[in-house]
This record gives sequence, C-alpha cells and structure tokens, in this order.
Amino acid sequence: DVKVTQSSRYLVKRTGEKVFLECVQDMDHENMFWYRQDPGLGLRLIYFSYDVKMKEKGDIPEGYSVSREKKERFSLILESASTNQTSMYLCASSLGYKGGRRGTEAFFGQGTRLTVV
Amino acid sequence: GDSVTQMEGPVTLSEEAFLTINCTYTATGYPSLFWYVQYPGEGLQLLLKATKADDKGSNKGFEATYRKETTSFHLEKGSVQVSDSAVYFCALRGQNAGNMLTFGGGTRLMVKP
Repeated sequence: DVKVTQSSRYLVKRTGEKVFLECVQDMDHENMFWYRQDPGLGLRLIYFSYDVKMKEKGDIPEGYSVSREKKERFSLILESASTNQTSMYLCASSLGYKGGRRGTEAFFGQGTRLTVV
Repeated sequence: GDSVTQMEGPVTLSEEAFLTINCTYTATGYPSLFWYVQYPGEGLQLLLKATKADDKGSNKGFEATYRKETTSFHLEKGSVQVSDSAVYFCALRGQNAGNMLTFGGGTRLMVKP
C-alpha cells in the first residue's frame, strides 16, 4: 500500500519558534508538495520539489522554506512561526511527468494541524 | 493558466438522494482530471480519475465523465449515504503542466439520515 507519512497529526508551537514539518513517501516519487488548507480558501501550494535538492515556489511561499536532501523526504520549515500560520498542512507526492506519462495522481499524507499560539 | 471551478457548498442531502457536484475547468490541451475526497480530520484520498475525453471514472458508486466539449467533470452518485459526508475536491493535471495539480475550492457534502 502506497504511503505518504507526515510526522505529526497535531502540533502546537509558540510564536517565533522555528518549526519543522516532515514528510516521507515510500513510492520512489520524484515530485513532492506542501499545501496549506484553510476554511474558504481551499488548498494553496506553498512549495514543491521535482527532484532531490530542487525546489520551486508555489502560490504562498512567504514565511516558509523547504528542504529535500533525500528523494523520500520533504521538509517544510517555518523560520519564525506566526499566528497566521495556524493551519492544516498537507504533504503530497506524485510520479514525475516524463516521456509523456500522464494521469498520475498525487498521494496525500494525513495532514498536520498546526496551531501557533 | 489552468483553473478549476466547482460549486460552493455546503450541499445538504438526505440519505439515498441523488448527488451532483459540478466542476468545470480551464486548461490548454488535454488535461487529466481527478476527484479527491477528504473525510473529517484526514488528508485527501483519490476518489476517481479520467485521463482523456469521454472517459468515465468510477469508484464506490461515484462517477464522473470527462466532457471536453463543455470542459466539465461533474461528480455524481445515485444514492448517497451518511458515510459520504466529506469535502470533495475537483483537480486537474495539465498536459503541459509538468508536475502540478490545480485544485478547485472544495465542496462540503453533508448527508442527513
């Protein structure tokens, strides 16, 4: 069974803390993504990575950074957590788009609900 | 750029009612289309997909047909159950989008017994 695993289901952090959200996939996928989900705003892409050490900004990268040192692991970093970063964070992975391969869906982790107080 | 528009919720139905959640898209070429479902407190799960025009995706009694002429991918189920209560997301992966999925805003479905 394919799996994307996020390190925590629930997390409470203080304003100004450095926060690490970890995501691991066991499917040998090239692509990995971090989204945040907020009521009324749907899913918004923060960052994605299409290869080890490669990263691209999504729609809302401000206040976040990412790290991908190994193919299976993609970390989201909140350099200095703020209350407006309280949200549900979703990690996903998918096969790369190579050689005309189409229709490959993204697989999601269970989500991390982060509260910044 | 690519975009997905789906009906706003919440959609409230009685058990055994017929469900339609509308989804339309804008994309160049021939995107692949997906429906995801999110149960309370969980991540997103793929519900069904279609990769070319006139394809019908189906799973767990849900169906959606890829309509190129109307750029639509409406989700339907003949008889909903309380356990179908969830948020449903329509998404596309563009033909030339490389690695990206574009999501609609989500539609919350509430099914009452």
